[in-house]
Amino acid sequence: SAVISQKPSRDICQRGTSLTIQCQVDSQVTMMFWYRQQPGQSLTLIATANQGSEATYESGFVIDKFPISRPNLTFSTLTVSNMSPEDSSIYLCSVLTGQGQSETQYFGPGTRLLVL
Amino acid sequence: AQKITQTQPGMFVQEKEAVTLDCTYDTSDPSYGLFWYKQPSSGEMIFLIYQGSYDQQNATEGRYSLNFQKARKSANLVISASQLGDSAMYFCAMREGGYKLVFGAGTILRVKS
Repeated sequence: SAVISQKPSRDICQRGTSLTIQCQVDSQVTMMFWYRQQPGQSLTLIATANQGSEATYESGFVIDKFPISRPNLTFSTLTVSNMSPEDSSIYLCSVLTGQGQSETQYFGPGTRLLVL
Repeated sequence: AQKITQTQPGMFVQEKEAVTLDCTYDTSDPSYGLFWYKQPSSGEMIFLIYQGSYDQQNATEGRYSLNFQKARKSANLVISASQLGDSAMYFCAMREGGYKLVFGAGTILRVKS
């Protein structure tokens, strides 16, 4: 398993501003993921962040809006830029552990973001 | 087409009874993994159980078991001896091919005392 922490746990922000969310893992992992969960909805993958390479974004998400850093194997940041109320969501960091068919994905506690 | 279908928006169960949460999936990839997560009101996603497509036996983790019926493409979660703390949203998810998880819409479970 993996222990994942996120900062901040929650925030209230004004539209037009940016927020950077940090994700720290207690062990080295190759693959980290950022998900978004809009109110009352399921989870949607924003991007995959591998150390030493550019993040890979899913359809509908762009680097200018959600820049990601992955400076080492235990840490990543997601920035939500130029925020609007539609960005109000829970943002979750996730990591992949294990090998082959036993690979498992664990999630951090999430960051609750409210944009006014 | 939806890849993960959870047909029960909400379920009630009496404390100490068992409950089954439904999940069907759609994939043509022979290698895939199925996951169940619990999300309490705090928002965190708690990993419960995993079933690989090549696993011969149904996965079990404590009070959680996965009823895996490959031919029917279903992966129902069974929670035995329900507790009040089991009240939460439950998500079924699938990983196929790469590493992306695709989630169902979720089922809200309420345990009654």
